[in-house]
Amino acid sequence: NAGVTQTPKFQVLKTGQSMTLQCAQDMNHNSMYWYRQDPGMGLRLIYYSASEGTTDKGEVPNGYNVSRLNKREFSLRLESAAPSQTSVYFCASSYETGSYGYTFGSGTRLTVV
Amino acid sequence: KQEVTQIPAALSVPEGENLVLNCSFTDSAIYNLQWFRQDPGKGLTSLLLIQSSQREQTSGRLNASLDKSSGRSTLYIAASQPGDSATYLCAAPGYSSASKIIFGSGTRLSIRP
Repeated sequence: NAGVTQTPKFQVLKTGQSMTLQCAQDMNHNSMYWYRQDPGMGLRLIYYSASEGTTDKGEVPNGYNVSRLNKREFSLRLESAAPSQTSVYFCASSYETGSYGYTFGSGTRLTVV
Repeated sequence: KQEVTQIPAALSVPEGENLVLNCSFTDSAIYNLQWFRQDPGKGLTSLLLIQSSQREQTSGRLNASLDKSSGRSTLYIAASQPGDSATYLCAAPGYSSASKIIFGSGTRLSIRP
């Protein structure tokens, strides 16, 4: 019963470096999401994928790209990391958008120096 | 635009007390409302999901109610324990933007032994 698995759990990047955060779910959920959590700002949606093959911007998409690789996997890429992207990133999934509850991964703590 | 507010931001009570956490939302046309718990440095754990057709949900010592007409939800914790200490977040989508679930900023709860 893994649920939503995120890798890595911790990462330190230098400004300008790129990296991909991985997320996989084994609950046969259709919808997947990436959030960032910052002190005083709460959880903000970066991108989401309502179903396999679709992706849409959330509240704070600038500086990020996503790929819905298949139904299970949804990755988040930082092409050129900036200190403002220092945050905790959470992946979540739900059976469908809207009417079903969300399951969250344990998060990736990213520091950009 | 859906806005979700949680008051108070922090709450400290002695062990054994019953307590209520509040969540208010501006767009009453919601599919559901979900309560989460977040321990320091951890991910979000789903506690209760209330569908729009329901008025309350119960799980053990937790009871969540939903009043769409007033735009309010409450999380009632009975006989609080030190292990209940965590941040509690509520989240609600809206019909018009059901995929963009919006989180409150959370209530940080501390139970004093």
